[in-house]
Parts: sequence; C-alpha cells; structure tokens
Amino acid sequence: EDQVTQSPEALRLQEGESSSLNCSYTVSGLRGLFWYRQDPGKGPEFLFTLYSAGEEKEKERLKATLTKKESFLHITAPKPEDSATYLCAVLYSSASKIIFGSGTRLSIRP
Amino acid sequence: DAGITQSPRHKVTETGTPVTLRCHQTENHRYMYWYRQDPGHGLRLIHYSYGVKDTDKGEVSDGYSVSRSKTEDFLLTLESATSSQTSVYFCAISDGRLAGGGSYEQYFGPGTRLTVT
Repeated sequence: EDQVTQSPEALRLQEGESSSLNCSYTVSGLRGLFWYRQDPGKGPEFLFTLYSAGEEKEKERLKATLTKKESFLHITAPKPEDSATYLCAVLYSSASKIIFGSGTRLSIRP
Repeated sequence: DAGITQSPRHKVTETGTPVTLRCHQTENHRYMYWYRQDPGHGLRLIHYSYGVKDTDKGEVSDGYSVSRSKTEDFLLTLESATSSQTSVYFCAISDGRLAGGGSYEQYFGPGTRLTVT
C-alpha cells in the first residue's frame, strides 16, 4: 500500500536544541517529495521540493535531505518562531498522485 | 503569497443541505485541488482539476462533486451534507510542470471551516 509516515507525531525542544523530523515513504515511482510548514488556523506553506536520493535543500535553520526510503528535515538551533506542524508529501506514479503524511507538531520552548 | 482565496471562510449548515465552497486563484495555474484536513488523518485529496472542465477523483471523493468552468475558479459541492463531512477544507494550486522552472509544489489557500450539525 502506498504510504507516507511521519515521526515523531510531536516534538518539544528547548530553544537552540537541534533535532530532526522523519518522513518515510513506500510508493512506487517517486517523482518528488515536498515539505510544508503549517501554523494553527492557516493553510500549509511550501518549504522544499526534493527530487532524487542524495539531494539536499536549505533555508535558514532548516535543511531537508532525501534517501530512497525517507526524508529528514533537520532543524538547527531552533527558535520559538519555528514552532509549527511540519508536513511532508510525496508525488508518485502519475503526476496527479500526491499523499500527505499526518505531520509532526514541533514546539520550541524559549 | 500565492493569490488564492476561499469562500466562505466559515460555514455552519444542517445535515441534508447542499453546500458549495469556492476557490479562486489569480496565478493562472493549471492544477487545482481540494483537500480535507481532519485530526489524525492529515490532508486527504478529495478531487483535483488539470484544466478547465477536466477533473478527477482523489482518495475521499464520495459525497463530493467539483466543477471548473474557468481557469481561476474551482468549486466543491457537498450534494447532501453529513456530519462526517465536518472538516477544514483547503484548496491548493500548482503549476504542474516538473521541468522548465515549473513544479508540482502546491500553494494552499487559507481554508474553510465547515460544520455540519
């Protein structure tokens, strides 16, 4: 079954404490993997697209990496404003098939 | 921010009544999507459109229909609303090209909170 799983479901960190979020997938014919950030009461906001294993993308304190089975979103020295739910999504098979994971709720304490 | 608006932003309706949600974009993107978001389920695709009058079903399409008569507008209709359709509904758009500077990355609207009593 085509599936996208994110872990952990929730993560609480101290400000400045680096960590990683995981997105593992089992789909055939991966065409792209996306990371989004979602704040409460708002729509998801696009962060990164990764297309092939070994690819990396960075934006401020965030860095996304991709292997053949999973993607990691590394957050370095996070700040309270990084608190949000982070979603990953996989584009696979035909261009119209996209599956979202359930997200990781990240909370950064000052 | 991508030019995507959704209306209404909040709606309360009774079981059995028809409901139409509207998504409007100013980006001239080819693809438009409707998702629902529920606790524990994440975002689930209801229907999508790949052009005017071209639509297809997603994973949770039962009880929903869509129409796209203009590039900029994508309507989602609940023919006869049920309590299980209480949810937050998001519209998204994408350029729909993997090469040449385009992408399937999606840009989301602000959402519509629908409550069916």
